Amino acid sequence: DVKVTQSSRYLVKRTGEKVFLECVQDMDHENMFWYRQDPGLGLRLIYFSYDVKMKEKGDIPEGYSVSREKKERFSLILESASTNQTSMYLCASSPGTSLGNTEAFFGQGTRLTVV
Amino acid sequence: GEDVEQSLFLSVREGDSSVINCTYTDSSSTYLYWYKQEPGAGLQLLTYIFSNMDMKQDQRLTVLLNKKDKHLSLRIADTQTGDSAIYFCAERGGGYNKLIFGAGTRLAVHP
Repeated sequence: DVKVTQSSRYLVKRTGEKVFLECVQDMDHENMFWYRQDPGLGLRLIYFSYDVKMKEKGDIPEGYSVSREKKERFSLILESASTNQTSMYLCASSPGTSLGNTEAFFGQGTRLTVV
Repeated sequence: GEDVEQSLFLSVREGDSSVINCTYTDSSSTYLYWYKQEPGAGLQLLTYIFSNMDMKQDQRLTVLLNKKDKHLSLRIADTQTGDSAIYFCAERGGGYNKLIFGAGTRLAVHP
């Protein structure tokens, strides 16, 4: 059974704190993604990674950074958390094939509240 | 740029058919997807369609693709209360197999 696991379901952090959201996949996928989900806005891509140590900015990278030191793990970092980063964060992974279906598998989400 | 649009809400009576619509902009999209998100959960792939197909049927689900109009729809026959969820349309666009999602349609099923 394929699995994408996010380290926390719920997090409450204070403004200005450095926050780490961790994601691990066990499918040997090349691609990993971080999205945030807000009502009425759907899923917006923050960052993605197509290989170890490789990363690309998504649509809303400001205020975030990422780390991919190992293939199975993709971390999202909020350098200095702010209240407008209160959101649901979803991690996903997909195989790196350029042909064929590229289904993305999602973690259960981390609901982050910044107070 | 790439964009995917869908209406935000749909309300149907139990037993009726639901039709969720989506438009996309990237004509080079090879695959289009429908994901389902139940309350408090991540997204699960419901079905997908390859761009050279017009229709795909999978039990109660029917996907229609109009490539000329860049319009995708998901029909759920005999809608049940367990179908209440948010449904996301997504296209595979850009490089590195990036998925572009719509805002999601919240389907409410009432007796």
